Amino acid sequence: AQKVTQAQTEISVVEKEDVTLDCVYETRDTTYYLFWYKQPPSGELVFLIRRNSFDEQNEISGRYSWNFQKSTSSFNFTITASQVVDSAVYFCALSEAPRTDKLIFGTGTRLQVFP
Amino acid sequence: EPEVTQTPSHQVTQMGQEVILRCVPISNHLYFYWYRQILGQKVEFLVSFYNNEISEKSEIFDDQFSVERPDGSNFTLKIRSTKLEDSAMYFCASKAEHNEQFFGPGTRLTVL
Repeated sequence: AQKVTQAQTEISVVEKEDVTLDCVYETRDTTYYLFWYKQPPSGELVFLIRRNSFDEQNEISGRYSWNFQKSTSSFNFTITASQVVDSAVYFCALSEAPRTDKLIFGTGTRLQVFP
Repeated sequence: EPEVTQTPSHQVTQMGQEVILRCVPISNHLYFYWYRQILGQKVEFLVSFYNNEISEKSEIFDDQFSVERPDGSNFTLKIRSTKLEDSAMYFCASKAEHNEQFFGPGTRLTVL
């Protein structure tokens, strides 16, 4: 059965620290997509990244980077030099597209960055 | 930048009442979704909609729920007879072909 696990419920760091948010997924499909969304205190869901199952290249976008490893079914997210504005709940999600495009979310990791 | 909009931002209703949550997806998107998030919990899929019909729905989406695209711009979620446990944040999302889903800001539904 499909599942996304974010074992870290809450992480607290001080500004400028690097932080990694873990995501482990389960699926029987060979084609799928993985996502990260950010939910700031205002409540909206902000898309950060989409990765398909055939592309294991790591991606970097500014202070954000993502490490996708099919061998361990993980799609981890690292924020380098964290800032207070990074404080939010971060959700990892799975879509078993093209069979279905519903998003299966993890339970989220609340990141608090203190000044 | 185009965005998904939702109204109202907060809806308070009495148990047993009908509510309609409204969404305006991004204009060139063809796929539409509703999700919900009970306070402090994860986001859960409710229903997907394409070509004027439901393409997939979850176990949560029972006979009390319905969706409609009444015109070329709106996408609505109706709950016929609300229950206390329907209290949640409801998110609408839309996407173009082969792309990621973009979410609206959500409607907080409070059932008293």
